[in-house]
Amino acid sequence: EAGVAQSPRYKIIEKRQSVAFWCNPISGHATLYWYQQILGQGPKLLIQFQNNGVVDDSQLPKDRFSAERLKGVDSTLKIQPAKLEDSAVYLCASSLGRSPSGAFFGQGTRLTVV
Amino acid sequence: ELKVEQNPLFLSMQEGKNYTIYCNYSTTSDRLYWYRQDPGKSLESLFVLLSNGAVKQEGRLMASLDTKARLSTLHITAAVHDLSATYFCAVDNPNFGNEKLTFGTGTRLTIIP
Repeated sequence: EAGVAQSPRYKIIEKRQSVAFWCNPISGHATLYWYQQILGQGPKLLIQFQNNGVVDDSQLPKDRFSAERLKGVDSTLKIQPAKLEDSAVYLCASSLGRSPSGAFFGQGTRLTVV
Repeated sequence: ELKVEQNPLFLSMQEGKNYTIYCNYSTTSDRLYWYRQDPGKSLESLFVLLSNGAVKQEGRLMASLDTKARLSTLHITAAVHDLSATYFCAVDNPNFGNEKLTFGTGTRLTIIP
């Protein structure tokens, strides 16, 4: 079974630039999550989709972050403009149902903002 | 706001020794998860604990849950180098109908030969 695919693996940008990350979840998984993991901390949920609808985006900084999940499959997370404090690993995960039990995580995109 | 705390944050132990990682959380929750993360890699699910008193074991790792004390433990028996990694616990946030995970800060475990 193919896992959760993310790209790119690494990205370095200057502050105030924009960046986008892509996630392809496991086939058939209805729920998709984006997490931000700052170095030395646990992952923090940014946004959760159920199919192509948003379930929770309470911790998404909406002035600069946006995410979409077209057709309930792939998803993109965008940051515009980036700040230094956005440097982190962005993890995508997916699960079959609404519960995170059994969620699979991708390898993440490591973003460095300079 | 649900808070999840782990201790210790860093743990260096010799091969063959036993040790325990602790995970405390601030709000009643039904489920607790343990994950492993190797450097530069993603999170790997280790255990899902679904009820008070639940105990699960896989190899040298054993996890338990006490929902009354809001405490989970991850016990390592006779540690080997391959267990070196960062371990996270995560709790379902009851305010979101058990659909949202809140992670602890992680415990970085280093096994010394």
